[in-house]
Amino acid sequence: GIQVEQSPPDLILQEGANSTLRCNFSDSVNNLQWFHQNPWGQLINLFYIPSGTKQNGRLSATTVATERYSLLYISSSQTTDSGVYFCAVVPTSGTYKYIFGTGTRLKVLA
Amino acid sequence: DSGVTQTPKHLITATGQRVTLRCSPRSGDLSVYWYQQSLDQGLQFLIQYYNGEERAKGNILERFSAQQFPDLHSELNLSSLELGDSALYFCASSVGQGVAKNIQYFGAGTRLSVL
Repeated sequence: GIQVEQSPPDLILQEGANSTLRCNFSDSVNNLQWFHQNPWGQLINLFYIPSGTKQNGRLSATTVATERYSLLYISSSQTTDSGVYFCAVVPTSGTYKYIFGTGTRLKVLA
Repeated sequence: DSGVTQTPKHLITATGQRVTLRCSPRSGDLSVYWYQQSLDQGLQFLIQYYNGEERAKGNILERFSAQQFPDLHSELNLSSLELGDSALYFCASSVGQGVAKNIQYFGAGTRLSVL
């Protein structure tokens, strides 16, 4: 089945720094979402981005479907950005289900 | 607030017992999905219902079952519980029946502890 790998696995930043999180997937997909799981466990949609680029405030995402990767950019990070960031994909072939990556754990220090 | 409601928020029970987790989807959403998040397995898809019918099945154990009712709320039943079933259980909903091209919105989860 499809493999979804995220990097880096862990990231520690000072408040105000920028970061780039990466999601690589091993097969073609027709759906990709980025989620933030906050320290209380809630999963929050960030982007629905099977291709192209989107921006929402300090966050932006780019998916290059032909090269099978997606990037999440966080600019001017804040302590509230701490948590785990997941990408989730739906493979074009096979099952109707999201496959989640292993996540990037981000800690932003004040 | 995603609009997806899960109850209860926390559940503590003993091995061998049976529990029911409940999910109300966002208004207008016909699909409900169940996920399990454990420390060693990450986020795993369990099952999807669309308008009352089972649509897709993932890594759901035979001890687990789910259904979606006519009012579109869904219940996940976990029986003969084992210590390893301790996890965070999420429900998500979306408008359409296919996961492709559909955006899923997640509830806050039910944290199950099996002692």
